[in-house]
Amino acid sequence: ETGVTQTPRHLVMGMTNKKSLKCEQHLGHNAMYWYKQSAKKPLELMFVYNFKEQTENNSVPSRFSPECPNSSHLFLHLHTLQPEDSALYLCASSQGPGGADTQYFGPGTRLTVL
Amino acid sequence: QKEVEQNSGPLSVPEGAIASLNCTYSDRGSQSFFWYRQYSGKSPELIMFIYSNGDKEDGRFTAQLNKASQYVSLLIRDSQPSDSATYLCAVPNQAGTALIFGKGTTLSVSS
Repeated sequence: ETGVTQTPRHLVMGMTNKKSLKCEQHLGHNAMYWYKQSAKKPLELMFVYNFKEQTENNSVPSRFSPECPNSSHLFLHLHTLQPEDSALYLCASSQGPGGADTQYFGPGTRLTVL
Repeated sequence: QKEVEQNSGPLSVPEGAIASLNCTYSDRGSQSFFWYRQYSGKSPELIMFIYSNGDKEDGRFTAQLNKASQYVSLLIRDSQPSDSATYLCAVPNQAGTALIFGKGTTLSVSS
């Protein structure tokens, strides 16, 4: 595996389900990110982890819970989501802080909440 | 909160023409600027970035900064149908920990 991988690529879940998104980066980077991309909206930053410590939570509802066990893995745990949470969820990584270094994106998980 | 504005388009140009994409930013103190390309159904990929100290050329792509008017442009020379995509402009957030993206401009190059 190379670059940034995400699983699953597609996910359909009901509002009462619990599911998790997984991201893994094979680039030796120190920072990882979760972004949400909805139609007609800009990419929205959700969470930032630097050396597996959360450095930013962009006012994300608690039904989204991130976990970063090490610098290579990032999870997004989903619980009691709403239909408006349907979107493309993108993981990214960078060597240093995202403001100065190029961010490399994974292929994304297309989430549909019924 | 910093903001990045882009005309959503679509911008349509014929093959071989120059495509000009613009992005305005709200924070006069922004020091770096990123251009990403996103094909339909795919994730964003970096095309190029520039710092506030000058323009940059990379192959058919040129990024130009106008500090006085607070906008950055991406010029694509000899546009090809394969350039058809959405182009995202981004600047670092206030803390310098991540990027703030514009909505993107959709470019369509016709053969």
